[in-house]
Amino acid sequence: AQSVAQPEDQVNVAEGNPLTVKCTYSVSGNPYLFWYVQYPNRGLQFLLKYITGDNLVKGSYGFEAEFNKSQTSFHLKKPSALVSDSALYFCAVRDSYQGAQKLVFGQGTRLTINP
Amino acid sequence: EAGVTQSPTHLIKTRGQQATLRCSPISGHTSVYWYQQALGLGLQFLLWYDEGEERNRGNFPPRFSGRQFPNYSSELNVNALELEDSALYLCASSLGGPYTFGSGTRLTVV
Repeated sequence: AQSVAQPEDQVNVAEGNPLTVKCTYSVSGNPYLFWYVQYPNRGLQFLLKYITGDNLVKGSYGFEAEFNKSQTSFHLKKPSALVSDSALYFCAVRDSYQGAQKLVFGQGTRLTINP
Repeated sequence: EAGVTQSPTHLIKTRGQQATLRCSPISGHTSVYWYQQALGLGLQFLLWYDEGEERNRGNFPPRFSGRQFPNYSSELNVNALELEDSALYLCASSLGGPYTFGSGTRLTVV
């Protein structure tokens, strides 16, 4: 089965510094990977996806993610963090096993940007 | 364009009762997905409906069930509620692309 792992439960970054939220994946076949963000008491918002093509994917709110096949990673990045980026971030992979067509999510990483 | 709407926002039930949660997808989206987000457990896949049929089910007991109506809206039913069913239940819709999530229903079982 497809799966993703987010090795860090929490990441703290100073405002203005670059941020990275890590994700590794385990899939058979080509991975379809996603990043979502969740603000308090809200649903998840789509940030970006990787299907195929360029390894650097640009998304919403200045976020980007780098797909690395050799390291089976899909880390989320932003050059300069804002306090408003503080939220819960989820990496996900599409699982099409036996026609499932569902997203499998990581456990989430809580990102805190300190002023 | 209206997003995915879920109702009610909050629901408090007693152990043993039944809960019904509702979801209206984005207009034109035929697929509806249900997830449970319990504290400390991330998002767990519950059910996937498409074109009125249940297409896939996560590792949950049969007392979790649902349906999709002809207008593609969906209902999640949880019977014989247990304390550990307390969670945020998220609905998402899709037309083959990225999911769009609703804001969820917070179910509290006391």
